[in-house]
Amino acid sequence: EDQVTQSPEALRLQEGESSSLNCSYTVSGLRGLFWYRQDPGKGPEFLFTLYSAGEEKEKERLKATLTKKESFLHITAPKPEDSATYLCAVTGANSKLTFGKGITLSVRP
Amino acid sequence: DTGVSQNPRHKITKRGQNVTFRCDPISEHNRLYWYRQTLGQGPEFLTYFQNEAQLEKSRLLSDRFSAERPKGSFSTLEIQRTEQGDSAMYLCASSLALDPWVEVLQETQYFGPGTRLLVL
Repeated sequence: EDQVTQSPEALRLQEGESSSLNCSYTVSGLRGLFWYRQDPGKGPEFLFTLYSAGEEKEKERLKATLTKKESFLHITAPKPEDSATYLCAVTGANSKLTFGKGITLSVRP
Repeated sequence: DTGVSQNPRHKITKRGQNVTFRCDPISEHNRLYWYRQTLGQGPEFLTYFQNEAQLEKSRLLSDRFSAERPKGSFSTLEIQRTEQGDSAMYLCASSLALDPWVEVLQETQYFGPGTRLLVL
C-alpha cells in the first residue's frame, strides 16, 4: 500500500526565514507526486506536479524537488500569506491518489 | 469562475437522516473524484468516475454511501442513515485524462471548496 509521510507536522517561521518541508513516500511505481496548499475550511489548491527523480519546479517563493524516495518544498523568504497547510500526495501503479497528513506552516510578521 | 464547485458548502443533519451533496467539475474534465477529509488528516480517496462510469471504490465507501455521475457531467454523493462518524469535509476533484484508457490517475486533480458535514 502506498504511504506518504510529511515532516515536520508543524513549522513556525519568522517572515523572511527560509526553510524546507519534507515528503517521504513509498509507492509501487511512482506515476506522479503532487503538492497542494490548503487554507482552513477550503479545498486543496494545486501547486506542483513532479513526475521523475531530479525534476524541479518553481513558483514565486516556492520550489519543489523530487528524488526516488522523497520530495522537498523549499520556501524562500516566506511571507505571512504563505501560512497554510501544505499537502503532499502520490499516485502509483495502484492508481489512486494517496495524501500525507500535511504540514501546517505559520509565518510570523 | 470555471473551477470545481460543490453544494452545499455546509450541512448539519441529525443522525439517521439522508444527505446528498453535489459536485460540478471543470467543464472539459472527464474524470471526477470524491474524497473525505477529517481534522488533521489529508484527504482520503472514496471513489472516481471516468465520464459516467464509476471505476473504483475505496473500502471506506460503505453500503450507506452511493455516488452517481449520470450524464458524465455533475456528480452526487449520497449518505444514507448518517452516523456521527460521517462528520467530515467531503471534497470533489476533477481532472482531464488525455488517454482515458489508461487507468493510472497521473494527471493533476483540481479540487472544489468542499462540503462540511456535521452529524448531530
